[in-house]
Amino acid sequence: DAGVTQSPTHLIKTRGQQVTLRCSPKSGHDTVSWYQQALGQGPQFIFQYYEEEERQRGNFPDRFSGHQFPNYSSELNVNALLLGDSALYLCASSLGQNSYYGYTFGSGTRLTVV
Amino acid sequence: TQLLEQSPQFLSIQEGENLTVYCNSSSVFSSLQWYRQEPGEGPVLLVTVVTGGEVKKLKRLTFQFGDARKDSSLHITAAQPGDTGLYLCAGEGSGYALNFGKGTSLLVTP
Repeated sequence: DAGVTQSPTHLIKTRGQQVTLRCSPKSGHDTVSWYQQALGQGPQFIFQYYEEEERQRGNFPDRFSGHQFPNYSSELNVNALLLGDSALYLCASSLGQNSYYGYTFGSGTRLTVV
Repeated sequence: TQLLEQSPQFLSIQEGENLTVYCNSSSVFSSLQWYRQEPGEGPVLLVTVVTGGEVKKLKRLTFQFGDARKDSSLHITAAQPGDTGLYLCAGEGSGYALNFGKGTSLLVTP
């Protein structure tokens, strides 16, 4: 049973560019959340998608946007990249509104902005 | 944002020792989860606690949720090198977001 798949695994971008990260949730899961984890920090919530709608958003600027497709996969887009956007971006999937069984995280995309 | 503070930040111990990691907040959480993260990987769920005062055991790991649902602890008995990793606590408040602490980095040496 495949878990959460994220692509690419590593990415280097130049300041000011745009980037798209992709996530395929665990089989059977319909909710996707995105987190940013800076070095030495815990993950920070960016937003959550359910039924192709953004259900909740964290304290991130509008440069961060997302999308969920009918097959539940998701994309995270970041425009006008800043050096401070360098981080590990984690995708987590879950089933509906029940978080009791926790979230299944992917291995992340390591984004480096130079 | 509901803040979670974890202590200690770093812990280096010898194989066989016991340890306790703490997760504290001034906010009440509807549930609290513990994850372990290894370098280059995403966090992996260890346990979810929901009821105040709840105690859960997972082999050598014991998790406790505070009576007021504001704090939690993780106790490891007879630590092994395979326990090495970053331990993260995460609380679910009124919304759907998980609020993570900064984590406790544990190193267990043979």
